Amino acid sequence: AQSVTQLGSHVSVSEGALVLLRCNYSSSVPPYLFWYVQYPNQGLQLLLKYTSAATLVKGINGFEAEFKKSETSFHLTKPSAHMSDAAEYFCAVSPLTGANSKLTFGKGITLSVRP
Amino acid sequence: DVKVTQSSRYLVKRTGEKVFLECVQDMDHENMFWYRQDPGLGLRLIYFSYDVKMKEKGDIPEGYSVSREKKERFSLILESASTNQTSMYLCASSSHFGRALNTEAFFGQGTRLTVV
Repeated sequence: AQSVTQLGSHVSVSEGALVLLRCNYSSSVPPYLFWYVQYPNQGLQLLLKYTSAATLVKGINGFEAEFKKSETSFHLTKPSAHMSDAAEYFCAVSPLTGANSKLTFGKGITLSVRP
Repeated sequence: DVKVTQSSRYLVKRTGEKVFLECVQDMDHENMFWYRQDPGLGLRLIYFSYDVKMKEKGDIPEGYSVSREKKERFSLILESASTNQTSMYLCASSSHFGRALNTEAFFGQGTRLTVV
């Protein structure tokens, strides 16, 4: 069964600092991978997704993630944090094929941005 | 603009009540999902549906049922609400080719249910 691990539950950075949110997946074959963001009192919004094309994926709001098969990782980064980036971030995985395949989410990481 | 709409943002119900959570999408998506979100546990899939009148259990279906009579609407039913069902409930939808369910999912705003 596939799964994702997001290490830590909370990350705090200063405004303007690098944001790095880690995600490792477990799957017998490289899957589809997603990062979602959830702002307070809202639903989830897709940031970016990896679907076996380019390994470096660019998303909205200046975020990007790199798929590394050798490390089974899909870490999310942003060069310079902004106050508006404070939110909860979820990594999700699904297999490439298979009837009734579905998204499996990690436990989420809360990002705080200090002025 | 794509939209998934959940009928209520906040609900307070009593233990033992039958509770209906409604979700409507306007994107003509085949797939619809119900998740619950709890602190430290992330999102857990309760039920999903890949077609009208079709439903499949997710990871935590106990205590819940669903109904999908029309393509755009997916209802989550708590037959007899209990305090451990106090949670945030999120509905989502996605399109698919064949029966793959791994395309981008669009989420509603969530319903925060409190059972007292």
